[in-house]
Amino acid sequence: AQSVTQLGSHVSVSEGALVLLRCNYSSSVPPYLFWYVQYPNQGLQLLLKYTSAATLVKGINGFEAEFKKSETSFHLTKPSAHMSDAAEYFCAVSDRVSQGNLIFGKGTKLSVKP
Amino acid sequence: DTGVSQDPRHKITKRGQNVTFRCDPISEHNRLYWYRQTLGQGPEFLTYFQNEAQLEKSRLLSDRFSAERPKGSFSTLEIQRTEQGDSAMYLCASSPFTLAGGHTDTQYFGPGTRLTVL
Repeated sequence: AQSVTQLGSHVSVSEGALVLLRCNYSSSVPPYLFWYVQYPNQGLQLLLKYTSAATLVKGINGFEAEFKKSETSFHLTKPSAHMSDAAEYFCAVSDRVSQGNLIFGKGTKLSVKP
Repeated sequence: DTGVSQDPRHKITKRGQNVTFRCDPISEHNRLYWYRQTLGQGPEFLTYFQNEAQLEKSRLLSDRFSAERPKGSFSTLEIQRTEQGDSAMYLCASSPFTLAGGHTDTQYFGPGTRLTVL
């Protein structure tokens, strides 16, 4: 079965510091991986996705993620945190065994201190 | 393109009552998904439609839940005889699911309906 694990339910960084949100996946087939962001009382917005092309994927708002097959990881990074980045971030894998629904991790809440 | 919309945004009901939620996908998106999100968890898949056909249901979707997508446009999710454990955010997403993109096609989420069962 496919799954994702997000390490750290809560990450706190200072404004301007590096953001690193961790995601590890488990999949019996080559995975398609996604990062979504959720602001309070809102739906999810796609940040970026990996679809087996380039292993370094650039997304919106300055975020990027690198697919590392040897580590089964897809960590999300941003060089310099901004106050507006405070939100909850979800890593997800597309269920290719089934019909394409997303399987989400439990999420990581990012706090940004001034 | 106005995005995925959901109605109502909030619903408070008493245990045992029936509730119905509506989702309007992005026009011409042939796939529509329902997810449920409880506090501190990621969204969990409930069911999805390809046009008007409901093709898969999660084991989370008990027989008190029913979903429809008549004419392949908007969708409704009904919960009968609500229980306190049904309290959650119900999210709808739509996707073009092209033959080229398939499982890589982006799912676009609505703002969700927050259900509170008293």
